[in-house]
Amino acid sequence: EVQLVQSGAEVKKPGESLKISCKGSGYSFTSYWIGWVRQMPGKGLEWMGSIYPGDSDTRNSPSFQGQVTISADKSITTAYLHWSSLKASDTAMYYCARNYGSDPVDYWGQGTLVTVSS
Amino acid sequence: DIQMTQSPSTVSASVGDRVTITCRASQSISSRLAWYQQKPGKAPKLLIYKVSSLESGVPSRFSGSGSGTEFTLTISSLQPDDFATYYCQHYNRYSCSFGQGTELEIK
Repeated sequence: EVQLVQSGAEVKKPGESLKISCKGSGYSFTSYWIGWVRQMPGKGLEWMGSIYPGDSDTRNSPSFQGQVTISADKSITTAYLHWSSLKASDTAMYYCARNYGSDPVDYWGQGTLVTVSS
Repeated sequence: DIQMTQSPSTVSASVGDRVTITCRASQSISSRLAWYQQKPGKAPKLLIYKVSSLESGVPSRFSGSGSGTEFTLTISSLQPDDFATYYCQHYNRYSCSFGQGTELEIK
């Protein structure tokens, strides 16, 4: 069974760093892209970027370029989303999702809620 | 970047109604168009890909059509489980972008 299991909810202060994770199982982790999608409270879905764990090739949305870092450790089938300095406006639900090649996303993680507040 | 625009933002309908949601792309996107359903507190669920291909397990009352820059999602006879928010998505090998969403609410 394909599963993407994300790390738990986080509460952080502005300026703090954070790395959230997404562990894939039940499929060939290195053969699918893993993307990250932001959903701010009461708002729509925004693609942030994707990584191909097979060779760490990364695609970033211009809207999020320089704001976050996407990485993966294929040895433990886990992808990451990292902030070096959080802002209150980073408060959102973050989903990881997989897709094959140029196909659409077919599996999603359960989401990680990040709250940034002083 | 390709921008995706959905209309309407909200639609009110009753069980048994036929509903159509429109998605327009800022430039031609060939057939790389998907539709997702999202319920409160849940991750989105893939309904349709390549404009009109139904994902496995999705009821046949859902259908997609369109080409070039204009696409539609139709629900032929609304069921209580269908009240949710729907997103279109353009996808390709390098990026993807979502429409802003259409909330389908009970009239």
